[in-house]
Amino acid sequence: AQSVTQPDIHITVSEGASLELRCNYSYGATPYLFWYVQSPGQGLQLLLKYFSGDTLVQGIKGFEAEFKRSQSSFNLRKPSVHWSDAAEYFCAGTSGNTPLVFGKGTRLSVIA
Amino acid sequence: DSGVTQTPKHLITATGQRVTLRCSPRSGDLSVYWYQQSLDQGLQFLIQYYNGEERAKGNILERFSAQQFPDLHSELNLSSLELGDSALYFCASSVGGTYGYTFGSGTRLTVV
Repeated sequence: AQSVTQPDIHITVSEGASLELRCNYSYGATPYLFWYVQSPGQGLQLLLKYFSGDTLVQGIKGFEAEFKRSQSSFNLRKPSVHWSDAAEYFCAGTSGNTPLVFGKGTRLSVIA
Repeated sequence: DSGVTQTPKHLITATGQRVTLRCSPRSGDLSVYWYQQSLDQGLQFLIQYYNGEERAKGNILERFSAQQFPDLHSELNLSSLELGDSALYFCASSVGGTYGYTFGSGTRLTVV
């Protein structure tokens, strides 16, 4: 079955430190992959998406993600985290003609 | 403002009751998706409509139903409510699934 897995439930990083959130996918063919962010009490906002081509994609708010077919991964990164980045992050995927399947999410805490 | 409008934002109702959640998609988007978000299940896809027709169905209970009207707004009807139906219900819209979805801010349903 098509699935997206986020191995880390909760991650804490210091402000200014780098960040990497992990995402693994299980799809028969190369999926369309997305990262969303959800702040408390808010809806989900699209950070970036991968369709094909360049395996490193840039998104909003200084985020980027790298697609690695060999590892079935699509990890989200940010070189320097700000306190306002504290939120829940969701990885999602689709084969193209099916609804988005979401991972369970990773909660990011940022400490001073 | 994402362009997807959901009403009401909060809803408190008793077990056994019926409620209707409403969603207006972003201008130009023909697809509407409904998701349920709970702490234990994460984001679960319920149902998709495309231009008034049901396109895909997920883990939607028989007590739940939805429709999309000619003006493209959608309604999710939840009946015979149980305590376990308490959750955040999100509506999302898209011009095409591979472009990602735009989410509304959700309706928080509390069944008491």
